[in-house]
Amino acid sequence: DQQVKQNSPSLSVQEGRISILNCDYTNSMFDYFLWYKKYPAEGPTFLISISSIKDKNEDGRFTVFLNKSAKHLSLHIVPSQPGDSAVYFCAASVGLGFGNEKLTFGTGTRLTIIP
Amino acid sequence: GAVVSQHPSRVICKSGTSVKIECRSLDFQATTMFWYRQFPKQSLMLMATSNEGSKATYEQGVEKDKFLINHASLTLSTLTVTSAHPEDSSFYICSARARTSNEQFFGPGTRLTVL
Repeated sequence: DQQVKQNSPSLSVQEGRISILNCDYTNSMFDYFLWYKKYPAEGPTFLISISSIKDKNEDGRFTVFLNKSAKHLSLHIVPSQPGDSAVYFCAASVGLGFGNEKLTFGTGTRLTIIP
Repeated sequence: GAVVSQHPSRVICKSGTSVKIECRSLDFQATTMFWYRQFPKQSLMLMATSNEGSKATYEQGVEKDKFLINHASLTLSTLTVTSAHPEDSSFYICSARARTSNEQFFGPGTRLTVL
């Protein structure tokens, strides 16, 4: 039972354009969502998060949007840069913040930025 | 940022043998460590959560007698796959949470292949 889904296994975007990565979830108990970025041979690193009490969180070039009614979130990267090429994982948890709360991950989307 | 290492990065073993994977927090004390497993084209799945000095809490469906977890110090947790079989071949990744932070920092992962 895949509670967090990333339906696009890969995405290619021209440098300078906007990258939009999507994530859907089925568990309505999830109330905290995170995006992780993973380079080859490295562990995932935290990128940005959003609590269910918000519908948008922005950090520099990265913005996460949450649509609770649709159980959908998206990560926008603008402008996209070659260094953004990586695998992006969406994760969700029940309980605010990180820590002991179990993280449920999506399958990841491989983003390739074309110079 | 905080660094988490895993050793070995790759291991190939014969069916029936046991394999130990180490997870170390290099520059912080990890009160809680998490072990995940990722099969091809699937998401990272939490196997167990361990707190230093206490027994690990296993997720449903994960055999605690097969996947032995020891979190003996604030910088080291080990996962031992006992009597490994080909179906245990997977990517095992750990994360660690510092005492003073709520964020999980991930190791680079260990690729286990059981012949």
